[in-house]
Amino acid sequence: GAVVSQHPSWVICKSGTSVKIECRSLDFQATTMFWYRQFPKQSLMLMATSNEGSKATYEQGVEKDKFLINHASLTLSTLTVTSAHPEDSSFYICSARHYRHYNEQFFGPGTRLTVL
Amino acid sequence: AQKVTQAQTEISVVEKEDVTLDCVYETRDTTYYLFWYKQPPSGELVFLIRRNSFDEQNEISGRYSWNFQKSTSSFNFTITASQVVDSAVYFCALSGFGQGGKLIFGQGTELSVKP
Repeated sequence: GAVVSQHPSWVICKSGTSVKIECRSLDFQATTMFWYRQFPKQSLMLMATSNEGSKATYEQGVEKDKFLINHASLTLSTLTVTSAHPEDSSFYICSARHYRHYNEQFFGPGTRLTVL
Repeated sequence: AQKVTQAQTEISVVEKEDVTLDCVYETRDTTYYLFWYKQPPSGELVFLIRRNSFDEQNEISGRYSWNFQKSTSSFNFTITASQVVDSAVYFCALSGFGQGGKLIFGQGTELSVKP
């Protein structure tokens, strides 16, 4: 149980286009989902916290107009990278917090974004 | 402020050696949670352990063991008789009670186990 999926697993796009990444909790309800970004050889950096039915809370330095987050249901959160540029190329990982297990996060497999 | 420090950027060992990965944390919370994750080359994070701040018992799971010492704010991870499949990046992470579940990750330690 407690499986989180991400789609797509990898995406290549042209500079200036927008890319949407989906994060789904497959067998549990997640009131909170988190989005992380990881550059090569670096750690995971929290970008934003997404709560179902409300606006996402962004970490300092993360452009909310650039990285649009929607948490429309208890099993789905989406991250849209708008007008992507090569510097947005990164590994994006989501995690979902089980509504009953407050201090445990279940991670998705990640999405590798390459912007040409 | 919360912080996790993994001072060892890279470690290389030969198979069957024991290896310890260090993790030092900073927090003002009295209740907090510590985690270790493994990230193989595929990129997917693999959960290894979670410890709360009130449980200082060491834990052993097969070849893995963890030493939690509040006095030194450390949560070290030891792999006994390492294997090539243990090669990965290992992250230590901290979550403070009341922080909304946010995880603060250390910089990670890349472990390379050579045959």
